[in-house]
Formats: sequence, C-alpha cells, structure tokens
Amino acid sequence: GAVVSQHPSRVICKSGTSVKIECRSLDFQATTMFWYRQFPKKSLMLMATSNEGSKATYEQGVEKDKFLINHASLTLSTLTVTSAHPEDSSFYICSANPRQSYGYTFGSGTRLTVV
Amino acid sequence: GEDVEQSLFLSVREGDSSVINCTYTDSSSTYLYWYKQEPGAGLQLLTYIFSNMDMKQDQRLTVLLNKKDKHLSLRIADTQTGDSAIYFCAESPGGATNKLIFGTGTLLAVQP
Repeated sequence: GAVVSQHPSRVICKSGTSVKIECRSLDFQATTMFWYRQFPKKSLMLMATSNEGSKATYEQGVEKDKFLINHASLTLSTLTVTSAHPEDSSFYICSANPRQSYGYTFGSGTRLTVV
Repeated sequence: GEDVEQSLFLSVREGDSSVINCTYTDSSSTYLYWYKQEPGAGLQLLTYIFSNMDMKQDQRLTVLLNKKDKHLSLRIADTQTGDSAIYFCAESPGGATNKLIFGTGTLLAVQP
C-alpha cells in the first residue's frame, strides 16, 4: 500500500533556531502534499498545500515566512519552522493522496517542542 | 462554514458495538473518510465512502451516510480494547482532492 514517511518523529529545539521536517512518499509520486498541525486534544488544521515545482498554497492565518515549504521532487516535501518559538510547539503531520479513490495517507507525525 | 462536528467522547464495554457520529457541512464533498489516531501517532485511514453510497461495510466497520442530513456514522462491531483511540471523520469539500476538513475527533474508550 501507499506509504508516507515523515522524519524526525520527535525534535526538541531552542527558541530562535530552525527545524526542518521531511515528508516522503515511498512507493508513489505525489505532486501535492499537505501539511497539518495538531494541538493537544484538538483536531487537525491544514496549514498549507505543497505543490511540486511551484509555490505552496497557505491557509489563511498561516505565516508563509514562518513555515517554509519546499517540494523539490515528486517524492519529497519539507516543512521548515523558522525562528521557532515555544508557541510553535505542536504535532505536525504530512499527508498525500496516491489517487483520489484510495484515500489520503498520513505520515507518522513530528512532535516539535521548542524550549 | 467548514465545521465538521463530532461528539468528543464515547465509552463502551469490550464486545459491545460503538457508534461514532459526524455532521459535515459541504454537500458537494465527493468522499468522506474515517481516520483513527492512537496516542502520539499519525492517522490511519480506516475506511471511506463515496457520496453516492448510503452504506459501506468492511469487516467490523460499517459506515452509514445520510446525505440529506449531512450525517456520517461509523459503527464498530465487537469493540476491542485495541480500538481505543481518537476517531476523526473528514470531508473533501467541493469534490476536490486538494484538502481534507477534519472533524473535532471522538475519543473512544473501551472498558474491559
């Protein structure tokens, strides 16, 4: 089946530093990938849609300069949290849809803690 | 708006059936999904239903769709302790594949 691999699974960083999270589609090509954020005991909020070879589409209220997205190949999208602050601490999850009728496949998520 | 609503919590005894309900908002959603999330993990696709279907059954899982009322439910037969998790319904608004709108999530607690 379709697999989305996300790394790292857990990261702790200091305030002011940047963190890069990778999302890879292992056995299919994904021209589009999605980045979600989940707060504790809350639902998933779509942050942005990552488009291979072009700019990402950000949801309203998401800072583009804060959350940099790069989708350089058909199997890799990265999310970089720049100048991280404690309020950026959250669970970030990526997903891709191998084909419409199959359903979206999610990565295992990245727990970011900014101290 | 794009609010997809679910009840927050459901507690059942092992062996009983669980029914998790969801009310969605976009009548043009082509596919509706159920995902399971265990603590600290990503989301696992459980099942999905196409909008022109009323019911879909897959082993212990039964999905019912009432398109008129925009109501979706997930029934888990013979609920096991391993079914304890948060369950999210999700819709794909406008029939597009571009994004999912998730429900608020239902925490299912299965008592032995």
